[in-house]
Amino acid sequence: EIVLTQSPGTLSLSPGERATLSCRASQSLSSYNYLAWYQQKPGQAPRLLIYGASSRATDIPDRFSGSGSGTDFTLTISRLEPEDFAVYYCQQYGGSPPWTFGQGSKVEFK
Amino acid sequence: EVQLVESGGGLVQPGGSLRLSCAASGFTFTGYWLHWVRQAPGKGLVWVSRIDNTGSSVVYADSVKGRFAISRDNAKNTLYLQMHSLRAEDTAVYYCARGGYHYSFDNWGQGTLVTVSS
Repeated sequence: EIVLTQSPGTLSLSPGERATLSCRASQSLSSYNYLAWYQQKPGQAPRLLIYGASSRATDIPDRFSGSGSGTDFTLTISRLEPEDFAVYYCQQYGGSPPWTFGQGSKVEFK
Repeated sequence: EVQLVESGGGLVQPGGSLRLSCAASGFTFTGYWLHWVRQAPGKGLVWVSRIDNTGSSVVYADSVKGRFAISRDNAKNTLYLQMHSLRAEDTAVYYCARGGYHYSFDNWGQGTLVTVSS
């Protein structure tokens, strides 16, 4: 099973600042890079932001971007809006089950 | 608009059974894999199970294998999760999710809470 480790656990920032979240896989996701990112706000279901490591999902603002390959992936929020303060999860599929998630990174108001 | 609406959660005693449902609308149901993902209170997301378009292929997380059964009724646009031998550690919000591009989960229901307690 591929384990995803996210860092930092909590990021304290102000609106307008840049957020950089990391997700490291315990083994390479190979050339397919089946890596996705989700946003979850309290009491809500997760929302897909990024799939395939770098493709934005439908209706996701372009301030969200994903990058990386192999074992190291990054979600960047270029300029934080008030509605971006939330918990972010990465998720992988390495070619066979199980699908796994990282433990989450919280972006909080500074 | 894609909609996934879960139901069937509630309080159940350890060792008991429960069946969750997820009613889908707004998309061609038979065109997609479907999943169950759960989230224990205050914890992260954990994938539980996946079913393919026709229902002929299913897979489970090791933690639920042999106790849970995923199924779908393509005539009713509904996904199910039959849960048996429930344990305290199965307490969670259970989400149904649609399989998206690159093995992501592109649409989620609002979740249904399952509490296993005596």
